[in-house]
Amino acid sequence: DQQVKQNSPSLSVQEGRISILNCDYTNSMFDYFLWYKKYPAEGPTFLISISSIKDKNEDGRFTVFLNKSAKHLSLHIVPSQPGDSAVYFCAASDWTGANSKLTFGKGITLSVRP
Amino acid sequence: KAGVTQTPRYLIKTRGQQVTLSCSPISGHRSVSWYQQTPGQGLQFLFEYFSETQRNKGNFPGRFSGRQFSNSRSEMNVSTLELGDSALYLCASSAGDRAYEQYFGPGTRLTVT
Repeated sequence: DQQVKQNSPSLSVQEGRISILNCDYTNSMFDYFLWYKKYPAEGPTFLISISSIKDKNEDGRFTVFLNKSAKHLSLHIVPSQPGDSAVYFCAASDWTGANSKLTFGKGITLSVRP
Repeated sequence: KAGVTQTPRYLIKTRGQQVTLSCSPISGHRSVSWYQQTPGQGLQFLFEYFSETQRNKGNFPGRFSGRQFSNSRSEMNVSTLELGDSALYLCASSAGDRAYEQYFGPGTRLTVT
C-alpha cells in the first residue's frame, strides 16, 4: 500500500520556466511533508517542508503548496535552472504521533533544458 | 557544521555473510534513522534510534538490526546476506525538536554476490 505517490516518473522543462512537481498521499495522519532532491551516488538533500496547519511555505526559488482536503502537495521551482536537474522525492511524517519515520514517494526525475 | 558521514561508501559481500555499516550524525543530533533504497521499492524506513534506544521500526526481517552509542553514532548490521539485500543504505540524523526534518548521509552501496 503506497501511502505517498508521485505518479509522474519524469518532467522536462525549459530553463527559466516553472517546474511543478506533484505528490499525493492517502494517510490522513501525516502532519509534516518534505521535499528532497537527490543526485546519483549521493544521499537525498532536504529542500523544504510544510506543516499540515499551513497551505504554503516558501524558500527562495522553492515553494511548497499543501491542499489537505485533496491530500495533495506540490513543489514549485521558479525559475528552473539546469542545476535543478535531479530526482525529487516527496516524503511525509506522522510526527505528532511521535513517529519520526519518513514515508517516501518513488521520486520524479526533473530535467531542466538549457 | 559537518554533515552526516557513513562508512564504508561501497561494500561487496557474498551471500550468507554479515555486514556492519556505520553512521555518524550531525553534531548535536540525537536521532538516527536508517533507510534502504532499491530501484523497485524506493526509499524504505528500516529503524530509528534516539538516545541509544530503538524508537521506531520498519517492516524488515530480524536479519536487519542496529544500535546507537552514547555519542549518537549508529551502526546497522545485516546478517545472513541475501542477493535482495543489495541496495543503497542511507542514514539520516535529526534534532529532537524537528525530528521530521532528516538530513541524509551519502549512503553505503552494498552489493551482495
